[in-house]
Amino acid sequence: DAGITQSPRHKVTETGTPVTLRCHQTENHRYMYWYRQDPGHGLRLIHYSYGVKDTDKGEVSDGYSVSRSKTEDFLLTLESATSSQTSVYFCAIMTDGSGNTIYFGEGSWLTVV
Amino acid sequence: DAKTTQPPSMDCAEGRAANLPCNHSTISGNEYVYWYRQIHSQGPQYIIHGLKNNETNEMASLIITEDRKSSTLILPHATLRDTAVYYCIVLYNFNKFYFGSGTKLNVKP
Repeated sequence: DAGITQSPRHKVTETGTPVTLRCHQTENHRYMYWYRQDPGHGLRLIHYSYGVKDTDKGEVSDGYSVSRSKTEDFLLTLESATSSQTSVYFCAIMTDGSGNTIYFGEGSWLTVV
Repeated sequence: DAKTTQPPSMDCAEGRAANLPCNHSTISGNEYVYWYRQIHSQGPQYIIHGLKNNETNEMASLIITEDRKSSTLILPHATLRDTAVYYCIVLYNFNKFYFGSGTKLNVKP
């Protein structure tokens, strides 16, 4: 599991409320990612980070923000949750070196009602 | 733009080899081909990756054509536990992994 921990694992929240998902890694990898997965869409990249305070957008970044103030933590925030953001969210890290490999966390199930 | 094309589903008999194809005709010279699988709602699991040469590990073999426009993942002796969605990914932009829709492999007894 490459030392990846996601929290919370399950959350139900109301429309319009802010939500923050946390991804924690124990191996000091530089690159971290947030994906969402929905039926019929596979995995889609939301945001990624290539170092402390260095982040960039993925293919479905609208409605999401991220922060990385420490190497080990990558936070995903939904400023005002909507029902369309009900999804499973996966955090991932990429190992360093040539032929880089991505390893995923176990997922965070978010339901917006 | 996932840059890969996979069949939506495949069947395989238990104990037989499962051969999963992937087309990546626009792959560039330095782009790796990666394979992952996802069982139920678990996080995707890394299987194997390669650049030009065929690769083998304890889970599978990866065969990449000489022109690198397609590849095949081979599970030599499929078991029921190999039933999953298999994703073929080209490392698009150094650090952006884009997943396509994958192939649902059904291993049948």
